[in-house]
Amino acid sequence: DVKVTQSSRYLVKRTGEKVFLECVQDMDHENMFWYRQDPGLGLRLIYFSYDVKMKEKGDIPEGYSVSREKKERFSLILESASTNQTSMYLCASRPTATYEQYFGPGTRLTVT
Amino acid sequence: AQSVTQLGSHVSVSEGALVLLRCNYSSSVPPYLFWYVQYPNQGLQLLLKYTTGATLVKGINGFEAEFKKSETSFHLTKPSAHMSDAAEYFCAVSDAGGYNKLIFGAGTRLAVHP
Repeated sequence: DVKVTQSSRYLVKRTGEKVFLECVQDMDHENMFWYRQDPGLGLRLIYFSYDVKMKEKGDIPEGYSVSREKKERFSLILESASTNQTSMYLCASRPTATYEQYFGPGTRLTVT
Repeated sequence: AQSVTQLGSHVSVSEGALVLLRCNYSSSVPPYLFWYVQYPNQGLQLLLKYTTGATLVKGINGFEAEFKKSETSFHLTKPSAHMSDAAEYFCAVSDAGGYNKLIFGAGTRLAVHP
């Protein structure tokens, strides 16, 4: 079974802090994704990566950056956290030539 | 651009009743379609998918969905709801814009009451 893990289930940070959210997958998938999930808005794509060191902006990249130094790991970075970044963050991965994505359990981030 | 509309942000059914969750999409090319389920405090899990072939697809936990091209719909059904079906359900469509991305609907929260 594909396993996608996220470093924290719950995280509380202060406004202005730099925040790192880590995601690791164990199935050698080329593609990885970061979404945020908010009530009534579904999942919105922040960034994705189709290979090591390669990244593409999604629909809502403002205020975020990403890093993919190794194939199995994809990090989401909030350079200066703000209260409007309080949300559930979901990581996903998928192999090449498919659409089906495999999701991690999510990190619920609260910025106070 | 592709989009997904899920009619009804909240659906409530009695245990044993039919579950019907609606999904309509827009796509300029033949789509791949997906239903995911999210149980409380968990990530998303694939319920079923349509890629090609038979338009009625069966998934896990007794769910099924039918792709109707003429109606641009992919509604999710289950004949008899169980308490354990209470969750949030997301419909997704393949993004023809490259990179094999998915576009998700806003979600429907299903409540099942005794």
